[in-house]
Amino acid sequence: AQSVTQLGSHVSVSEGALVLLRCNYSSSVPPYLFWYVQYPNQGLQLLLKYTSAATLVKGINGFEAEFKKSETSFHLTKPSAHMSDAAEYFCAVSRAGGTSYGKLTFGQGTILTVHP
Amino acid sequence: DTEVTQTPKHLVMGMTNKKSLKCEQHMGHRAMYWYKQKAKKPPELMFVYSYEKLSINESVPSRFSPECPNSSLLNLHLHALQPEDSALYLCASSQEVVQGNEKLFFGSGTQLSVL
Repeated sequence: AQSVTQLGSHVSVSEGALVLLRCNYSSSVPPYLFWYVQYPNQGLQLLLKYTSAATLVKGINGFEAEFKKSETSFHLTKPSAHMSDAAEYFCAVSRAGGTSYGKLTFGQGTILTVHP
Repeated sequence: DTEVTQTPKHLVMGMTNKKSLKCEQHMGHRAMYWYKQKAKKPPELMFVYSYEKLSINESVPSRFSPECPNSSLLNLHLHALQPEDSALYLCASSQEVVQGNEKLFFGSGTQLSVL
């Protein structure tokens, strides 16, 4: 079974500061990993995904994430936070192959607050 | 058009009511999904349709009945729900379900309250 663990249910940063949201995965096979963002009263939007093509993945809105197999991590970063980045962020994993096509498993989420 | 449209946005129903949630996309996607999201929790997969056939049912109670009339539409029929079924119901679509790495496009959800 696959799972992801997000460390820290709440992260607070100042505008212009580095954003670091942590995600560790557990998977017996090479995983596909994703970061989604959810703004209040909205659905989820894909920020970026890892599919084994490159370990450093660049996404939308200036976010990027690095896949580190040795640490089983896929942390999300952004060099400079903007007020509009305030939202809830979900790390997610799906299985490459097998009979679980379409099954995306989400972490518990991290709420990002950005202070002026 | 990159939108997934869900109706209604809000729904209040009694435990004896029958209601339906609707989802529509016009991106030509052949996979559609229902997720349930309780307050302050992550989304949990309920159903996956691939090419209009049910491919995954995550042991969802029979009071939830999905239907995919065509490749653009996905319904979730609700009957005899319990108060603990109150949640945000999210519909999503993707181009197809083949590799497991597909990008999901989510609707804004239907906020359901069961009294």
